[in-house]
Amino acid sequence: DAKTTQPPSMDCAEGRAANLPCNHSTISGNEYVYWYRQIHSQGPQYIIHGLKNNETNEMASLIITEDRKSSTLILPHATLRDTAVYYCIVRPDNYGQNFVFGPGTRLSVLP
Amino acid sequence: GAVVSQHPSWVICKSGTSVKIECRSLDFQATTMFWYRQFPKQSLMLMATSNEGSKATYEQGVEKDKFLINHASLTLSTLTVTSAHPEDSSFYICSARTDGALNTEAFFGQGTRLTVV
Repeated sequence: DAKTTQPPSMDCAEGRAANLPCNHSTISGNEYVYWYRQIHSQGPQYIIHGLKNNETNEMASLIITEDRKSSTLILPHATLRDTAVYYCIVRPDNYGQNFVFGPGTRLSVLP
Repeated sequence: GAVVSQHPSWVICKSGTSVKIECRSLDFQATTMFWYRQFPKQSLMLMATSNEGSKATYEQGVEKDKFLINHASLTLSTLTVTSAHPEDSSFYICSARTDGALNTEAFFGQGTRLTVV
């Protein structure tokens, strides 16, 4: 079973920041937080991941609370092409371990 | 990032026939690949873990004789849906990670949409 809780859906205005929350209150010390997104009829696309420090890349920023029980994915300037289902996944640092997908958050970016 | 390629992107087959889906890691080696299935409006569900040089590990409820997995090399895994039926119609997705690398993301193929008529 997925170890995360996300809102089922969110809307965001084009050009504004999209803040997607994720609750992972049972996360263990060796588990990372990963974010993927899936645009309709495509395979999941990696966005970002982190352990305890905040992370930023060209796609997004990941803010992890100090107690690591929740995190927020931030898309700084959402575009229509960011409309997708966003998955927050916690996973141990184990090569053979698969990614367990929950229902995710369906983000709709509105013009 | 690394690329995982699936072929075909979509396929339509008649009930009772078999369909083979290929998953290739294009620029890295992957001892382990994963096969997922996704029904409409649902999330990805792991079907099996494909291990190069050994038998695949199937999740509970997935018929190993129906969904044949062959991990022929470090860059290729195949999923064959045997005697396909309409209820096997789904979106099949594979993923892989770079060999020996910890703390790294998995890369996913673009998916294969199977329609059994």
